[in-house]
Amino acid sequence: DSGVTQTPKHLITATGQRVTLRCSPRSGDLSVYWYQQSLDQGLQFLIQYYNGEERAKGNILERFSAQQFPDLHSELNLSSLELGDSALYFCASSVGGAGYEQYFGPGTRLTVT
Amino acid sequence: ELKVEQNPLFLSMQEGKNYTIYCNYSTTSDRLYWYRQDPGKSLESLFVLLSNGAVKQEGRLMASLDTKARLSTLHITAAVHDLSATYFCAVKETSGSRLTFGEGTQLTVNP
Repeated sequence: DSGVTQTPKHLITATGQRVTLRCSPRSGDLSVYWYQQSLDQGLQFLIQYYNGEERAKGNILERFSAQQFPDLHSELNLSSLELGDSALYFCASSVGGAGYEQYFGPGTRLTVT
Repeated sequence: ELKVEQNPLFLSMQEGKNYTIYCNYSTTSDRLYWYRQDPGKSLESLFVLLSNGAVKQEGRLMASLDTKARLSTLHITAAVHDLSATYFCAVKETSGSRLTFGEGTQLTVNP
């Protein structure tokens, strides 16, 4: 158990809908990262927050957005969902902003029907 | 853009045999990670390699890093069924903190 928690574990929704994935980092960690794992694209970095501020952006679609709250938990919002958004979404956390090991949560499996 | 390539992508081994998984990357990095993933599960950190010539071993797995060749290897010694999983290497560029992952190597160890 890495200490990173994600909810929900599974999510099934229809095309066009909007969902929110939640991540609580390990105690004391200031950075949160979001990754998407799909059969087509593999494991891809989406976005990083450090202490409430966006730090780095990867291959994140405009339909997706994220934020990190003052208590350091983070939410990933996915809207206008398409079938291709079906994937496993991982959150990871680290103590600092760069150069620190990232610890991965259990993931949220999103299925878009 | 950093590219990370693993090979082989699929590996079927007999128990007791040795094999090596390779991870090549395209730009300067200051650390490289190896992760294990069981089906439907999260990523478990195996090794962090920080410098040229770094070698780390845990049980039947040994990882090494050659920063000049931009190559890391994960060597499996005397494989056992419990090692069956998908193994990823992930590279962090010198600037920034994002990880770029390889495609993963799906390892199956047969009795």
